[in-house]
Parts: sequence; C-alpha cells; structure tokens
Amino acid sequence: ETGVTQTPRHLVMGMTNKKSLKCEQHLGHNAMYWYKQSAKKPLELMFVYNFKEQTENNSVPSRFSPECPNSSHLFLHLHTLQPEDSALYLCASRGQAYGYTFGSGTRLTVV
Amino acid sequence: DQQVKQNSPSLSVQEGRISILNCDYTNSMFDYFLWYKKYPAEGPTFLISISSIKDKNEDGRFTVFLNKSAKHLSLHIVPSQPGDSAVYFCAASASGSARQLTFGSGTQLTVLP
Repeated sequence: ETGVTQTPRHLVMGMTNKKSLKCEQHLGHNAMYWYKQSAKKPLELMFVYNFKEQTENNSVPSRFSPECPNSSHLFLHLHTLQPEDSALYLCASRGQAYGYTFGSGTRLTVV
Repeated sequence: DQQVKQNSPSLSVQEGRISILNCDYTNSMFDYFLWYKKYPAEGPTFLISISSIKDKNEDGRFTVFLNKSAKHLSLHIVPSQPGDSAVYFCAASASGSARQLTFGSGTQLTVLP
C-alpha cells in the first residue's frame, strides 16, 4: 500500500456508459495527477491539480473529465469512450519532494 | 516528440550478473532524474534518483550514473535477482516546471534464475 488508493482496480465499460475512477491520498500531498499507460508507450500525463486547482490539461479529449473536490481526492469521469481508450489509468500525488507516489491503477477496458 | 527515451523495450540478464538499463533525454533543462520500478497490476514505485549536480548515486545494489554532456543516464543493478524482474521507467524533471515528471516508455527487465 503506497498511500495512494485507486478504485476500482478493474473496469469494463461499453462505449455508451458513464463511469468514474477515484483516487484518494492521505499523505498530505498538494499535487495530484492522472496518467495513462498504454502498452509499450511512455506514461502519458493527462491532468495536473495543484492545491485543488487544475494547472494542466494535456490536450485530453473531453470524454475524460477530471474533478478534484479537495486535495485528498481526485476523480476521472468517463463518458462515451472509445476502444482505444483502454489502458491502465494511474493516479499519483506529490508533496514537497520531487518524487511521485503512484496508486496501483485502474485497468480500463472499453468494449 | 519524446523528451525521455528508453530505446530498449526489454532486457534479459542471468541472476547474479549486472543489469544495465539506459535512458536518454533531449531537454537540457532537465536537472533531476528518477528511476521507477513497476510490477504487473501495481503502480510504479520510486527506486532511486540523481540530481544534475552529481554524476553518480548509489543505494545498495542500485547505482544511477548521469552523463550530462551526453544527456544519458543509466541504472546499474548488481547483482541482479529474479525479484528485480519488472518494468523500469526513467523520468526527468526541470526545476522550473513545478517538478513535473516526464517519463520514458519503460524497459522490461527479466532476470533469469
């Protein structure tokens, strides 16, 4: 357990469904991130939140919608996804140091 | 354009031997480098880091070397153990970027018993 908890661990959804991914950390970190990991590709930064404010949207399609209600929780709302959106979605948080603490990820399959 | 590149998608090494994982970067503003290790079905975990003011950092069996002129860093694992089998990601950060990390595509290390 890293201190960053992601739920669910696995998710299968149809292209017309709406679902949400949840990330929670109680490490006292002020920055939170969503990353996408596809096979044999670098970790792709999707969104950055600092002190609950979104500071970066890395050209992510609008079918992905983040929400950060407080500095401990981060959501990724999903709707009308495509099969190519199937990937491992990782949440990370960062405190004062350089390193990130990652959650275990949500394995998403879009059918 | 990938700013952090790991050109070897996979590496196999015999147990007890040295594993050398390589990483190249293009952004000269990067001044802090990290290695993360990832097992299947888990998120990446921090392994070791190095600041650009150093050229070597050692932690037990793991040593990271930085060659700033070549924009190259490497992770040495010696001796390699079967439990080291995982995907290793190189990451870099620039001090003016709110410490945001840019990751490479990872190298799958397999240590054969």
